[in-house]
Amino acid sequence: EVRLVQSGGGLVQPGGSLRLSCAVSGFTFSSYWMHWVRQVPGKGLEWVSRISGDGTGTNYADSVKGRFTISRDNAKSTLYMQMSSLRAEDTAVYYCVRGVTMATVTPWNFWGQGTLVTVSS
Amino acid sequence: EIVLTQSPGALSLSPGERATLSCRASQSVISNYLAWYQQKPGQAPRLLIYGASSRATGIPDRFSGSGSGTDFTLTISRLDPKDSAVYYCQQYGSSPWTFGQGTKVEIK
Repeated sequence: EVRLVQSGGGLVQPGGSLRLSCAVSGFTFSSYWMHWVRQVPGKGLEWVSRISGDGTGTNYADSVKGRFTISRDNAKSTLYMQMSSLRAEDTAVYYCVRGVTMATVTPWNFWGQGTLVTVSS
Repeated sequence: EIVLTQSPGALSLSPGERATLSCRASQSVISNYLAWYQQKPGQAPRLLIYGASSRATGIPDRFSGSGSGTDFTLTISRLDPKDSAVYYCQQYGSSPWTFGQGTKVEIK
């Protein structure tokens, strides 16, 4: 059974940092691109970042580029998102996501449970 | 960036009726890499349709997708009370991957 279990959310002050984790099981983690998607409570979905299976390829939304860093530890089957210089507009539920297939282009059918990040003083 | 515009913003229909949701892209979606997701309160999105018209595993045939290029449609025939949710379209063919703003479906 594919499982994505997230941790690391919480309350942080503007300008602060936070690291999200997503521990996976039930599949060969290193074979899959992984994504982070966020959702402001009550609002729509926004893609944030993705990383290749071997960790060498990454992409970011313009809204987080230069502030967020996606990474992975394939030995630990864990995906990370290091968030720094956080702003109020980064407040959202963050989801880690896996695609249907190992291909670069694939829809997403496995989602973590989501973790709330609140940026506020 | 491909902007996806969904309409209507909300629908209120009775059980057994048909719902038709629209998703229009600001430019052609590569290879019709267009997906539809269902999201219920407090839950992560659930993949319904991919490739514009292919049903994901376990999705009942009451859900169907159609369209190509810039205009796509999700049809839910014979609405069931459990279909009450927000539905999002998403293009996954080019970065940045983008979503529509959602259509809220309410079952009367």
